[in-house]
Amino acid sequence: GAVVSQHPSWVICKSGTSVKIECRSLDFQATTMFWYRQFPKQSLMLMATSNEGSKATYEQGVEKDKFLINHASLTLSTLTVTSAHPEDSSFYICSATLATEQETQYFGPGTRLLVL
Amino acid sequence: AQSVSQHNHHVILSEAASLELGCNYSYGGTVNLFWYVQYPGQHLQLLLKYFSGDPLVKGIKGFEAEFIKSKFSFNLRKPSVQWSDTAEYFCAVDPVGSQGNLIFGKGTKLSVKP
Repeated sequence: GAVVSQHPSWVICKSGTSVKIECRSLDFQATTMFWYRQFPKQSLMLMATSNEGSKATYEQGVEKDKFLINHASLTLSTLTVTSAHPEDSSFYICSATLATEQETQYFGPGTRLLVL
Repeated sequence: AQSVSQHNHHVILSEAASLELGCNYSYGGTVNLFWYVQYPGQHLQLLLKYFSGDPLVKGIKGFEAEFIKSKFSFNLRKPSVQWSDTAEYFCAVDPVGSQGNLIFGKGTKLSVKP
């Protein structure tokens, strides 16, 4: 139980284009989903927290217009990197929590983004 | 600022050796503590967690961790490692009341030689 998937697993795009990453909870309804970014040899950095049906809460320094988050249902959250630039290249990971176990996050496999 | 430090970047052990990975955090309030493991090519998986009660917690695959409040530490241990334990291990702290804002350490890569 508590499986989280991400799609795509990796994506290469041209500078200036937008990329959408999906995060799904496969066997449970996720009250909250989180989006992280991981640079090589660095720890995961929380970008934003999203609750179904409400606006995401962004961490300090994360541009909300750059990283659009939509949490349309209890099983799906999307992260759209708008007008991507090479410095946006990174590993993006989502996580989700169950309503009955809100302190524990279950992680997706991550999406590697390379912007040329 | 709140932070989590993992002392070792890369640990190399032989099979059957004992393991201890250090984790210290800087936060004065109540915290929930986690260890996650990431096997090569796989996603982060929860190894064990501490919320309250007995400061010695047991997780999956023979791992355990001890919360020492006075030292702000939550070290991970395993008496005898196996080759299959080769992975990256992340310590994470959730300040109670932070609504799930996990603060991660940089991770420790464990390589176990057969």
